[in-house]
Amino acid sequence: GIQVEQSPPDLILQEGANSTLRCNFSDSVNNLQWFHQNPWGQLINLFYIPSGTKQNGRLSATTVATERYSLLYISSSQTTDSGVYFCAALIYNQGGKLIFGQGTELSVKP
Amino acid sequence: KAGVTQTPRYLIKTRGQQVTLSCSPISGHRSVSWYQQTPGQGLQFLFEYFSETQRNKGNFPGRFSGRQFSNSRSEMNVSTLELGDSALYLCASSLDPGREQFFGPGTRLTVL
Repeated sequence: GIQVEQSPPDLILQEGANSTLRCNFSDSVNNLQWFHQNPWGQLINLFYIPSGTKQNGRLSATTVATERYSLLYISSSQTTDSGVYFCAALIYNQGGKLIFGQGTELSVKP
Repeated sequence: KAGVTQTPRYLIKTRGQQVTLSCSPISGHRSVSWYQQTPGQGLQFLFEYFSETQRNKGNFPGRFSGRQFSNSRSEMNVSTLELGDSALYLCASSLDPGREQFFGPGTRLTVL
């Protein structure tokens, strides 16, 4: 089946720094989502980005479907950005089954 | 518009018991999916329901089952609980299968 790999697994930043999280997937996808998991466990939607580039405040994402990767950019990081970031791919002909990566745990220090 | 709601939020059970978890999707969403999150296995797909029919099922034993009602609300049931079933169970809803999924706060199940 499809593999979704995220890198790096862990990231420590000083407040104000920028970062790039990467998500590679092994097969064609028709949906790519980025989530931030808050300390209570809820997955917060960041981007729904099967292809192209989107921006939302300090966050932006780019998916290059032909090369099977997606990037999440966090600029001017804040302590509230800490947590685990997941990407998840939805594959053609598999309905609503999201395949998750293992996540990137981000810690932003004041 | 209210988000996805899950009840209960926390649950403690003992081995051998069974449990039922409930999920109410966002109004107008017709597709509901369930996921299990554990430290060792990460986030894994359990099953997906659309129009009261199970469309897709993950690689879990038959002790895990679910259903969807005509109002799109969904329940999942785990029978004969094992210690390894301790996990965060997340429900997600979408307008239709294959569309953007939105997650509820989860039910944290502890099996003693």
